[in-house]
Amino acid sequence: DIQLTQSPSFLSASVGDRVTITCRASQAISTYLAWYQQEPGKAPKLLISAASTLQSGVPSRFSGSGSGTEFTLTISSLQPQDFASYYCQQLNNYPFSFGQGTKLEIK
Amino acid sequence: QVQLVQSGAEVKKPGSSVTVSCKASGGTFNNYAVIWVRQAPGQGLEWMGGIIPISGTTNYAEKYQGRVAFTTDGSSTTAYMDLSSLRSDDTAIYYCARSLKSRSWYDPLDLWGQGTLVSVSS
Repeated sequence: DIQLTQSPSFLSASVGDRVTITCRASQAISTYLAWYQQEPGKAPKLLISAASTLQSGVPSRFSGSGSGTEFTLTISSLQPQDFASYYCQQLNNYPFSFGQGTKLEIK
Repeated sequence: QVQLVQSGAEVKKPGSSVTVSCKASGGTFNNYAVIWVRQAPGQGLEWMGGIIPISGTTNYAEKYQGRVAFTTDGSSTTAYMDLSSLRSDDTAIYYCARSLKSRSWYDPLDLWGQGTLVSVSS
């Protein structure tokens, strides 16, 4: 099975900060990677597909990059509604595993 | 606007079975795959597998083989997950979700149900 390791697991930041979350895969997955945001008590929401394709309606402050085994999710200027948990998911090999998550908290 | 509406919370005894339903309100699953994902309390997301309703093709994570079954109704509007031989570590929120664009396992998940809490306790 492919393991996805996100770093950091916890991130404390302030409104307006630029933050980057990394997702590393245990083997190459091309660009078969998605990013989700999950607010407490809610279902996940798809932000980015194919490593870098921003979904319709997702603010442009979110961006994704990477291929192979290393990927990043960047939020250019944190807004209050961005404080949530973020998960990467690989869609290259079964089972389509998720990273362990990154919890983004207000400093 | 299609929404995925799941059945309500369940409390089960160890060894029993549970069925969770997922209805596509305002549409059907005809052109999509339906994937099931679970999340234990305070933990991350876990892909369980799914079904392509129009063909009935299923895909199960090896971890759940033999213990889980995904089905749909004849009109491809409701999907079901049956999980048997329940254990305490099956306590989780179970989500159904729809593939982004097509009947492909390789699509990410763009439409999610609200989640169903299944609690397993003696």
